[in-house]
Amino acid sequence: QVQLQESGPGLVKPSETLSLTCTVSGYSISSGYFWGWIRQPPGKGLEWIGSIYHRGSTYYNPSLKSRVTISIDTSKNQFSLKLSSVTAADTALYYCARHTTQLDWFDPWGQGTLVTVSS
Amino acid sequence: QSALTQPASVSGSPGQSITISCTGTSSDVGSYNLVSWYQQHPDKAPKLMIYEGSKRPSGVSNRFSGSKSGNTASLTISGLQAEDEADYYCCSYARSSIVVFGGGTKLTVL
Repeated sequence: QVQLQESGPGLVKPSETLSLTCTVSGYSISSGYFWGWIRQPPGKGLEWIGSIYHRGSTYYNPSLKSRVTISIDTSKNQFSLKLSSVTAADTALYYCARHTTQLDWFDPWGQGTLVTVSS
Repeated sequence: QSALTQPASVSGSPGQSITISCTGTSSDVGSYNLVSWYQQHPDKAPKLMIYEGSKRPSGVSNRFSGSKSGNTASLTISGLQAEDEADYYCCSYARSSIVVFGGGTKLTVL
């Protein structure tokens, strides 16, 4: 059974860089699939941030592309998100999920981690 | 790339059927059969309910079905049950390897 777990600081100061890691268990990420990040501001809808292929190619949401970096560490079975120059608008529940090779559906999802941007 | 358009809310009584629409453009829903639907209960992670427009993952009730016509995808829930009350989101692959979500629909079971 594939499981994903997000981890990282729950509080980030404005203008700093948000960093999160997703640890995958039950599946070797080097075996295939894209691996994605999605966020959900409090009380709002879902927003795709970006996805990384197991071989390292990446696709990002154009609205966030200038601030986002997603990387993968197959030796640790993890992938990570960095979002720079954060503002209060980046406060959200951040989810990681397995993403199909067609950039189609997401399944399964991690439980999500809340990141608050505040001084 | 704009978000897909969903109604903010829909409601129905137990046993009834409801349909949630998801309207996109010829750059996303209209050009690809890669629409997925997610159910999200309060304080829970989204759960995949439909993928590739009309396919159900193992374990998802056959009361849930998906379809598409032109630039609009739809999720239909038949035999509505209390536990179906949740938020529902559509998602589509879009041109240039972009992924776009709908704004979400709150389903209330009366």
